[in-house]
Amino acid sequence: KAGVTQTPRYLIKTRGQQVTLSCSPISGHRSVSWYQQTPGQGLQFLFEYFSETQRNKGNFPGRFSGRQFSNSRSEMNVSTLELGDSALYLCASSLIPGWRGASGQETQYFGPGTRLLVL
Amino acid sequence: ELKVEQNPLFLSMQEGKNYTIYCNYSTTSDRLYWYRQDPGKSLESLFVLLSNGAVKQEGRLMASLDTKARLSTLHITAAVHDLSATYFCAVDISGTASKLTFGTGTRLQVTL
Repeated sequence: KAGVTQTPRYLIKTRGQQVTLSCSPISGHRSVSWYQQTPGQGLQFLFEYFSETQRNKGNFPGRFSGRQFSNSRSEMNVSTLELGDSALYLCASSLIPGWRGASGQETQYFGPGTRLLVL
Repeated sequence: ELKVEQNPLFLSMQEGKNYTIYCNYSTTSDRLYWYRQDPGKSLESLFVLLSNGAVKQEGRLMASLDTKARLSTLHITAAVHDLSATYFCAVDISGTASKLTFGTGTRLQVTL
């Protein structure tokens, strides 16, 4: 069973540009969450999508947005990039939010990440 | 606001030794996760703890959860070099298992 995939894996942009990152969840998983990881702030939750609807949102400015498609694939977009947006962006998928079924079904599985460098 | 604290932040230990990583959180939750991250890599799920008193073990790692104390521990038994990584605990209070608040991480270095 294929894991969570993210594209691209590496990206270099300049300040003011925008970027779109893509995430394909594990087959059958309907929830996709996005996280930002930086050395200074650690791992921070960005937002979560389920059935094409944003269900949870973290404390990030409106420049960060996302969406989910009917096949559960998700994209996140960052507009007007700033130097501080340089980070590893991780996508995670889970079967059904809040599901307390057999062991492992409650878990979020993370993709390899997209490393974004803003110059 | 939920705060998740781990200690120690850095741990250097010799092979064969035992040690415990602590994870404290500030808001009631009965859903706690442990992840491992190797340098430059993504997060690998280790344990999911879903109830008070839950204990899970995999190889040399054992995790437990005390929801009353808002404390989880990750115990390492007879450490080996392959366990060198950063370990994160994460708590979910949203009830959706899809919005995790992570601890600061504990960087574990096992020396020969």
